[in-house]
Amino acid sequence: DTGVSQDPRHKITKRGQNVTFRCDPISEHNRLYWYRQTLGQGPEFLTYFQNEAQLEKSRLLSDRFSAERPKGSFSTLEIQRTEQGDSAMYLCASKYGQHPPQETQYFGPGTRLLVL
Amino acid sequence: AQRVTQPEKLLSVFKGAPVELKCNYSYSGSPELFWYVQYSRQRLQLLLRHISRESIKGFTADLNKGETSFHLKKPFAQEEDSAMYYCALSKTSGSRLTFGEGTQLTVNP
Repeated sequence: DTGVSQDPRHKITKRGQNVTFRCDPISEHNRLYWYRQTLGQGPEFLTYFQNEAQLEKSRLLSDRFSAERPKGSFSTLEIQRTEQGDSAMYLCASKYGQHPPQETQYFGPGTRLLVL
Repeated sequence: AQRVTQPEKLLSVFKGAPVELKCNYSYSGSPELFWYVQYSRQRLQLLLRHISRESIKGFTADLNKGETSFHLKKPFAQEEDSAMYYCALSKTSGSRLTFGEGTQLTVNP
């Protein structure tokens, strides 16, 4: 296990198409987070899971976005009817447990999405 | 709502000079504060966290609750410190991270 992995690393799509990204966390980590990062900005929180339960969703996560973690291991983030404003780097992170809270989140390399 | 502000988008210093990257936050509770670093073509990684009171790669950061700041400091910058630095905040429940916009540090030879 070499860390959090994400697939694909790059995705180019046309406006209106659906895209799906995958994140594989570090194996013993039960918390999984999705962030979005646009150019010149820090990562912004989208949603997170504890095991298979989605515990929090940001208001940034519109109805076109859906995330799943069906077996509490890997997660998928789907964007339906993509818009040019969805172009960003999508980051996944994982962490073990809630306590102690200062345990770090380990980040994946990200999936860069470009919507034409 | 929590917020993290990094007032400098770009910071340039010479090798051997002291460096300070500023971070201010707003949060009504007792937050956990972190510094993350992203070197060129690498993933985001933790540099240090306030609760550990540690020094990593010569960097330190002190949480000042009165000034709501968590500035990152290093007395003698090295060229390999050139990177993007993000200050981040987490509620004590340990849920999501709220990031600042980042500071691009360049250490010139």
